[in-house]
Amino acid sequence: DSGVTQTPKHLITATGQRVTLRCSPRSGDLSVYWYQQSLDQGLQFLIHYYNGEERAKGNILERFSAQQFPDLHSELNLSSLELGDSALYFCASSSGTGRETQYFGPGTRLLVL
Amino acid sequence: AQSVTQLDSHVSVSEGTPVLLRCNYSSSYSPSLFWYVQHPNKGLQLLLKYTSAATLVKGINGFEAEFKKSETSFHLTKPSAHMSDAAEYFCVVSVWRGATNKLIFGTGTLLAVQP
Repeated sequence: DSGVTQTPKHLITATGQRVTLRCSPRSGDLSVYWYQQSLDQGLQFLIHYYNGEERAKGNILERFSAQQFPDLHSELNLSSLELGDSALYFCASSSGTGRETQYFGPGTRLLVL
Repeated sequence: AQSVTQLDSHVSVSEGTPVLLRCNYSSSYSPSLFWYVQHPNKGLQLLLKYTSAATLVKGINGFEAEFKKSETSFHLTKPSAHMSDAAEYFCVVSVWRGATNKLIFGTGTLLAVQP
């Protein structure tokens, strides 16, 4: 158990809908990273938040957004969902923004029908 | 730009025989390299990491990896495979920019262990 929690574990929804994925970092960690794992793209970095501030964006679609709240949990919002958004979404947390180890949550599996 | 290439998409070994999963990296500066493992329907677990200390890195569950700068390689090895080692393994390089440290994943190697 990494100490990072993600909810829900599974999500099934329809095209065009909007969903919110939640991540709670390890106690004391200030950084939350979001990653997407799909069959065609593999594992790729989406976005990084540190202590409530956005620090970096990767291959994140404009339909996707994220935020980190004062209690340091983070939410990834996916809107106007398409079939191709079906994937496993991971968050990872680390203590800072340096080369610390990132600890991954169990992931949220999203299926868009 | 930083990247990693995993040379084998599938590796099959017999239980009790050595494991070798190959990874080459590309980096414009001294890299931080990692191996993560993903068991079926599970999250990603850190096996080991290299951050410019000792070139031979020991990880969990008997795995180790050797950083070879001259060969730009970071291969993962284990002397004797166990059935529980069957999983997907990812070689990872971190891209550190001061304000952020995103991870770049390889395409993964699926390890099968035959009884």
